[in-house]
Amino acid sequence: KAGVTQTPRYLIKTRGQQVTLSCSPISGHRSVSWYQQTPGQGLQFLFEYFSETQRNKGNFPGRFSGRQFSNSRSEMNVSTLELGDSALYLCASSLEGGIGELFFGEGSRLTVL
Amino acid sequence: QKEVEQNSGPLSVPEGAIASLNCTYSDRGSQSFFWYRQYSGKSPELIMFIYSNGDKEDGRFTAQLNKASQYVSLLIRDSQPSDSATYLCAVMGTGFQKLVFGTGTRLLVSP
Repeated sequence: KAGVTQTPRYLIKTRGQQVTLSCSPISGHRSVSWYQQTPGQGLQFLFEYFSETQRNKGNFPGRFSGRQFSNSRSEMNVSTLELGDSALYLCASSLEGGIGELFFGEGSRLTVL
Repeated sequence: QKEVEQNSGPLSVPEGAIASLNCTYSDRGSQSFFWYRQYSGKSPELIMFIYSNGDKEDGRFTAQLNKASQYVSLLIRDSQPSDSATYLCAVMGTGFQKLVFGTGTRLLVSP
């Protein structure tokens, strides 16, 4: 059974640009969550999607957005990149959501110059 | 006060010893608690979850929960060098799938 797949794995952008990250959940999983991981702040919740609906959102500015498609694949977008957006962005999937047994992808490491 | 607090470590133990990792949380209404292990450069992987007060054992791992004290711990018996990693405590927050993570405790097991 394939795990959670995230693309791209690594990317470098400059300030002001935008970026789109993709996540394919484990087959059959309908909930997709996104987290930002930085050395100083640890793992911070961005948002969660289920059946194409955003059910929960963390305390991030509106530059961070996401969506989920009918096949449960998800994308997140960060516009007007800032240096502080440099981080590992982790996607996690679960069957239904709400019970916390998340399965993480390998992450997309974003560097903003 | 952080929602989930862990000692950053590193916690150093010799091979074969018991490693004790601790976590406190602030939301008294929290119901679900998780321990994830993260190797350097890798993504977190779920080790254990616990919902009820008391102990839950799985192989060499034991999770302990005390809701009255808002305290969760993870014991690793017979620690191995391969257990060297960062251990993340996570608590289910309000709403769907919002896991609130501690910043993790780095464990070093020396041969």
